[in-house]
Amino acid sequence: LAKTTQPISMDSYEGQEVNITCSHNNIATNDYITWYQQFPSQGPRFIIQGYKTKVTNEVASLFIPADRKSSTLSLPRVSLSDTAVYYCLVGPSGTYKYIFGTGTRLKVLA
Amino acid sequence: GAGVSQSPSNKVTEKGKDVELRCDPISGHTALYWYRQSLGQGLEFLIYFQGNSAPDKSGLPSDRFSAERTGGSVSTLTIQRTQQEDSAVYLCASSSSGGSYGYTFGSGTRLTVV
Repeated sequence: LAKTTQPISMDSYEGQEVNITCSHNNIATNDYITWYQQFPSQGPRFIIQGYKTKVTNEVASLFIPADRKSSTLSLPRVSLSDTAVYYCLVGPSGTYKYIFGTGTRLKVLA
Repeated sequence: GAGVSQSPSNKVTEKGKDVELRCDPISGHTALYWYRQSLGQGLEFLIYFQGNSAPDKSGLPSDRFSAERTGGSVSTLTIQRTQQEDSAVYLCASSSSGGSYGYTFGSGTRLTVV
């Protein structure tokens, strides 16, 4: 499974757009990129998944450049409740041994 | 059920005792996973069940750990002769396929071995 690198932590203010970038230089042709969000004392929650270009849902957008060696999770107009750890995972569709690193700890300030 | 249910939510046990952790996945989900999360760390894969296939136990850290899934639904993770390094949050997740659109996690069981 491809190794991922993402910032350890980020701070933002309410109402701002937050972009978290994940590097995955060794991504394979059949790998998808998946992001999870984890609040304290809860299990991770699926946010978004993509293969190429751009994916958008009601929570976030995922931007994937043509070479797919990185991806950016974009959270529009964050609120205090978006304070959480965000994990970037890369693997084939149906992968069950996803490697969860330490993620990016996002803190949203008032 | 509406979500993945885990019990107990918290468990404190003495070193050397056995513990059982329970996971009740979303109804109809054929895949079930156990992960372990130590304080401030990412999630460590433990075991995977898919339908009636033999489980993938490759992530279990030692032979003190075992898991079963009865009737393709409820799963129990058993830790025998617990050690202090077993202290962690044990997370269960389920999915409708192999995980194509992500897992649904439970809230976990926080195990403390004293």
